[in-house]
Amino acid sequence: GQNIDQPTEMTATEGAIVQINCTYQTSGFNGLFWYQQHAGEAPTFLSYNVLDGLEEKGRFSSFLSRSKGYSYLLLKELQMKDSASYLCAASDSNYQLIWGAGTKLIIKP
Amino acid sequence: SAVISQKPSRDICQRGTSLTIQCQVDSQVTMMFWYRQQPGQSLTLIATANQGSEATYESGFVIDKFPISRPNLTFSTLTVSNMSPEDSSIYLCSASPGAYMNTEAFFGQGTRLTVV
Repeated sequence: GQNIDQPTEMTATEGAIVQINCTYQTSGFNGLFWYQQHAGEAPTFLSYNVLDGLEEKGRFSSFLSRSKGYSYLLLKELQMKDSASYLCAASDSNYQLIWGAGTKLIIKP
Repeated sequence: SAVISQKPSRDICQRGTSLTIQCQVDSQVTMMFWYRQQPGQSLTLIATANQGSEATYESGFVIDKFPISRPNLTFSTLTVSNMSPEDSSIYLCSASPGAYMNTEAFFGQGTRLTVV
């Protein structure tokens, strides 16, 4: 079957760095997405990886290893506004998105 | 980027009634989707709304319960029919400009539905 695993909750300190991991098993693979979702709001796009390696976009970076079925989202210089859920989603052979349950990130001062 | 207007933002409905949720995109998009999300849980795809033809439903979702319309490339509706308390959830509309899900998807603000 198809499955996405990511931690349920993580806690980090303002100004620090946090890495949110995601492992996936899909029928075929057409890329890995990361979305941010604040409580009560819609998900917003953060990154898309389809090739192995690290994609950097400001304070946020995303990494993909297709051979390991693994991705991570790296958040640097954490700010209080980064407190949110982070959703990992993989695009399968039919280009359908398989969503993880999300990682709730709590930032403490 | 695309901006999606979804309404209503929330509603409280009596069991046995139906609610239609509307989703308007500010530009033409190839793909539109309807999701359901329980608080603190993942997004569950209900169906893909196909322009000019019947929607494609995922396992566990049927047209009689969740009829979907997509009359053009910028608009879609989802109806939750004959509601029961189990239908209480957040319903999200999503759109992708590309023909395939290898481009970012945009989301409406969601409809928080409570069935009493």
